Amino acid sequence: LAKTTQPISMDSYEGQEVNITCSHNNIATNDYITWYQQFPSQGPRFIIQGYKTKVTNEVASLFIPADRKSSTLSLPRVSLSDTAVYYCLVGDVMDSSYKLIFGSGTRLLVRP
Amino acid sequence: DVKVTQSSRYLVKRTGEKVFLECVQDMDHENMFWYRQDPGLGLRLIYFSYDVKMKEKGDIPEGYSVSREKKERFSLILESASTNQTSMYLCASATYTGEQYFGPGTRLTVT
Repeated sequence: LAKTTQPISMDSYEGQEVNITCSHNNIATNDYITWYQQFPSQGPRFIIQGYKTKVTNEVASLFIPADRKSSTLSLPRVSLSDTAVYYCLVGDVMDSSYKLIFGSGTRLLVRP
Repeated sequence: DVKVTQSSRYLVKRTGEKVFLECVQDMDHENMFWYRQDPGLGLRLIYFSYDVKMKEKGDIPEGYSVSREKKERFSLILESASTNQTSMYLCASATYTGEQYFGPGTRLTVT
């Protein structure tokens, strides 16, 4: 399983764009990159998933360079309610014994 | 919407008791997971199951067992609860593309 490295914490202000980068140097050919968001006392919530290039949904964008050794979660115009822990995970989602390994995540604090 | 439910939000048990944590999902997912989450340690995988009656150990299976008799239900069992098993327990089920949906969690206190 590919190990991921993310910043422990980040600060931002309301209305700014936030980019959280995750390193996964040992990513395997079949691995996908998935991001989750977690608020206190709740389970993580799926945000976005990608394999290569760029993926966008109504919540975020995910940028993956050609070598796939890193990925960047982009949150446009954050609000106070985006304060949460964000986890980057890498794994072969098509493997029947697939399991996710959550790292420590990035604690994002959005200030007024 | 996918719904994952857990039998209790809060639970208090005594040391040595047998504890059952139930998880039910309504989306016909084959993969289900049990995690525990502790301050400063993030989420740690206890067990997961990719089919009925199939189970695989995660990173911290010691002191736990699981049961998956039906596709929609995945149970976590603490055979003899200990104080170091006081934690938040999270259940999840996953789509075939690996999107995990989590339940609300059970905060277990063992005294």
